[in-house]
Order: sequence, then structure tokens, then C-alpha cells
Amino acid sequence: KAGVTQTPRYLIKTRGQQVTLSCSPISGHRSVSWYQQTPGQGLQFLFEYFSETQRNKGNFPGRFSGRQFSNSRSEMNVSTLELGDSALYLCASSLELAGALTGELFFGEGSRLTVL
Amino acid sequence: DQQVKQNSPSLSVQEGRISILNCDYTNSMFDYFLWYKKYPAEGPTFLISISSIKDKNEDGRFTVFLNKSAKHLSLHIVPSQPGDSAVYFCAAHSGGGADGLTFGKGTHLIIQP
Repeated sequence: KAGVTQTPRYLIKTRGQQVTLSCSPISGHRSVSWYQQTPGQGLQFLFEYFSETQRNKGNFPGRFSGRQFSNSRSEMNVSTLELGDSALYLCASSLELAGALTGELFFGEGSRLTVL
Repeated sequence: DQQVKQNSPSLSVQEGRISILNCDYTNSMFDYFLWYKKYPAEGPTFLISISSIKDKNEDGRFTVFLNKSAKHLSLHIVPSQPGDSAVYFCAAHSGGGADGLTFGKGTHLIIQP
């Protein structure tokens, strides 16, 4: 069974640009969550999508957005990039809404974004 | 405001000994706690969890203890093995995870031969 796949794995952007990251969840999983990992802040929740609807959102500015498609694949977009957006962006999938019952999430390897 | 705190950024333990990783939380609404393990260049993987109605959960070499009155949980690894060297994240959620999982900043466990 294939795991969570994230593309691209690495990318470099400059300030002011925008970026789109992609995530393919485990087959059959309907929930996709996104997390930002930085050395100073650890893993921080961005948002969660379930059946194409955003169900939960973390405390991030509106520059961070996402969507989910009918096949459960998800994308997240960051516009007007800032230096502080440099981070590892992790996607996680689960059968149910993340946090429901066991809360177990299956993570991808992440997309490493560097903003220059 | 860190609702889940892992105050030890790193921990070094000799192979074969017990590793104890600690986690404190401030949000009394948290009702489910999880530990994830992360190797470099990989995503975190689920290790073990515990519901707030329990005070202990065991899975092989891994045991998680929850002290609700102290808002403290710990992960015990016995015996520690070289493959346990990784970053360990404590996470929590409440009310079905409406706010996603709240993670601590992680503890880097180093198992010395």
C-alpha cells in the first residue's frame, strides 16, 4: 500500500513569489492535514481537509491556503512568500477527521521550501 | 503560547538502558495524547497513544504514562536500542481534533553504544 506522497520534495523560491505543494494521501483516506515544521516552532497545524471541505484551520495568515480534490489529493498554496516561510511542509492523511478517535496520522516525507 | 511542551531538546542514553522522554501540557481540554517518532528526511511516524481515561498504555518496549493532575506524560523505552535514535514528538488533541493535533517541539534522543 503506497504511503503519503508529497511533491516536490525540495524547492527554492524568492520573496514575493508563490508556491504550490501537492499531496497524495494513502488510498482510501479522506482526510488530509498540513503542518509546517520549523526548528524554532516545531510542528504547527495549518489546516485540514475532509471530503473536499476545509474542516479546521490553524493560526496562519490568509497567504496560506489549500484545497482538496474529489480524489482526496490536496494542494496547499503560499502566496507572497516571506523569508520566515522557509520550512518543511508536511502532509498527513487519515481515514477519519484527524484527531477523531485515535488521532493517528500518516505523514509524508515533506516538501522542503527555502525562501531567499 | 506553547500548549504542549517538551523541555528537553535532546537526550542521550546508553544502549540497553531506559529512555524517558517527558511532555507537559497546559490545555485541560486535551483528551488524547500521541507520540510520534521522526528520522531525518522522513515524515513522523505514529508510535503510541493514550486516552485521557487511562494512565498507562504499553506496546512492546514502549510505554506511555499519563498524569492528568500534573498535566504530564512520559514515554519510556526499555531497553533502548540504536534504532531508537530519532526526534520524538509529543502531540495532543481535544474534542475530536477540531484544532488538529498540537505538537511539542520535539526531543532528539541519541542512543549511545
